[in-house]
Amino acid sequence: EADIYQTPRYLVIGTGKKITLECSQTMGHDKMYWYQQDPGMELHLIHYSYGVNSTEKGDLSSESTVSRIRTEHFPLTLESARPSHTSQYLCASSEGTGNSPLHFGNGTRLTVT
Amino acid sequence: DQQVKQNSPSLSVQEGRISILNCDYTNSMFDYFLWYKKYPAEGPTFLISISSIKDKNEDGRFTVFLNKSAKHLSLHIVPSQPGDSAVYFCAASGGWGGGSQGNLIFGKGTKLSVKP
Repeated sequence: EADIYQTPRYLVIGTGKKITLECSQTMGHDKMYWYQQDPGMELHLIHYSYGVNSTEKGDLSSESTVSRIRTEHFPLTLESARPSHTSQYLCASSEGTGNSPLHFGNGTRLTVT
Repeated sequence: DQQVKQNSPSLSVQEGRISILNCDYTNSMFDYFLWYKKYPAEGPTFLISISSIKDKNEDGRFTVFLNKSAKHLSLHIVPSQPGDSAVYFCAASGGWGGGSQGNLIFGKGTKLSVKP
């Protein structure tokens, strides 16, 4: 069973604030991902990492940044939140071998007022 | 342009009957397909997958069919149960590196409601 944790689950914050969404996994997976999803829409990949000190931007352009200093930790940061950043953010990890399925966290629902 | 399309936003089925969820894709380079299930306030969970070298994969009540010539796959759930009520996402990946180094491309999802 996958163990991947995201905090906070819900966040309401004012425009201009800096926020960090936390994601941790305990499975030792090398690959980690951040997806963004709006209601009724597909999941869009915004960042991914294939290992420590490796980060890449995904298919959907995002003003957020990520870091991967430890295998288990893949935080996402928004330096200055805006209402357009309101969305659900889903973190995932995978074993990285061939077509290993993604294991998702329960997501952070972000609302920027 | 969407590469993975789930044209039915919702589907309602009676308990015990078959649920068929459909997915179409446009990129012939996709070689692996997956279905995820998502309950409200939870992350998606992996359900079943199929490689492009196969046309069917079965796991208990869940069967995925792949028609490469039509670029179409479907998920069959038999018999459907109320606990199957969730949003189902179709996803595809390509070994060529499409979608950011072979990462998954998701459809918009189909919300399945199984009525008792």
